[in-house]
Amino acid sequence: QKEVEQNSGPLSVPEGAIASLNCTYSDRGSQSFFWYRQYSGKSPELIMFIYSNGDKEDGRFTAQLNKASQYVSLLIRDSQPSDSATYLCAVRVPSGGYNKLIFGAGTRLAVHP
Amino acid sequence: EAQVTQNPRYLITVTGKKLTVTCSQNMNHEYMSWYRQDPGLGLRQIYYSMNVEVTDKGDVPEGYKVSRKEKRNFPLILESPSPNQTSLYFCASSLSTLGQGWREKLFFGSGTQLSVL
Repeated sequence: QKEVEQNSGPLSVPEGAIASLNCTYSDRGSQSFFWYRQYSGKSPELIMFIYSNGDKEDGRFTAQLNKASQYVSLLIRDSQPSDSATYLCAVRVPSGGYNKLIFGAGTRLAVHP
Repeated sequence: EAQVTQNPRYLITVTGKKLTVTCSQNMNHEYMSWYRQDPGLGLRQIYYSMNVEVTDKGDVPEGYKVSRKEKRNFPLILESPSPNQTSLYFCASSLSTLGQGWREKLFFGSGTQLSVL
C-alpha cells in the first residue's frame, strides 16, 4: 500500500462546478497535510495546509481533514479553466527525528468551459 | 526576488558520464531537498539537508550524491548516470519542517529534465 494515495484522474468538471480531490494516507502518526498545485511543465506550489480535523477555507479552496478515516480532501468552488493542473497531496510523518514529507502521485484536474 | 535557482533546465547525457545539477536558494533556508518526479510515482525524495554539513538519504538515494558546504547551495551529483535516472528533478527549500504553517512551505526550483542515453 502506498503511503499517500490519490486517484490519478483526470477529474473533469465544468466551469463553475465544485471540484473534489481526495487523498488517503497510511501513517496514523501523520501530523500535517498539504496541497500543492502543479501546472504542466512547472514546479509545484503550495496552496493549502491543514493540521487539525475539520475544514479550513481560503478563498475558493477548502481543505478537509479526517484523521480517524485517514483522508484529506481539497474542494475547489467555482472551478475555473485556470484551475486545470495536477494537485499533489503531501503528508508529513515523523521518521526517526526528522519530519518526512511524502507526496502522492497527484490528481490531474481538467476544468472545461 | 525569493527563489530557488536550479540549473541546467534540460540535460542530455550518456551512461557513465558524471554530471552535477546545481541548486541555490537566496532565502536563508535551513532545509533543502532533492526530488525526482516520474509519471505515476509522484515526487520521491532523493536526499535532504537539515542544515550545513548535515545531509541524509531520502527514499531513493542510490546512484546520487549531495553536499551542503554552504547554506545556500545544495548540488546533486550523479557519479555514473544510468538510463533509469532519466527523470524530472526538483530542488526545494523551506524555513522549517516542524509544523509551522507557511514556514513549512517548500519553494521549488524550475526543475531539470534529465535524459540518460
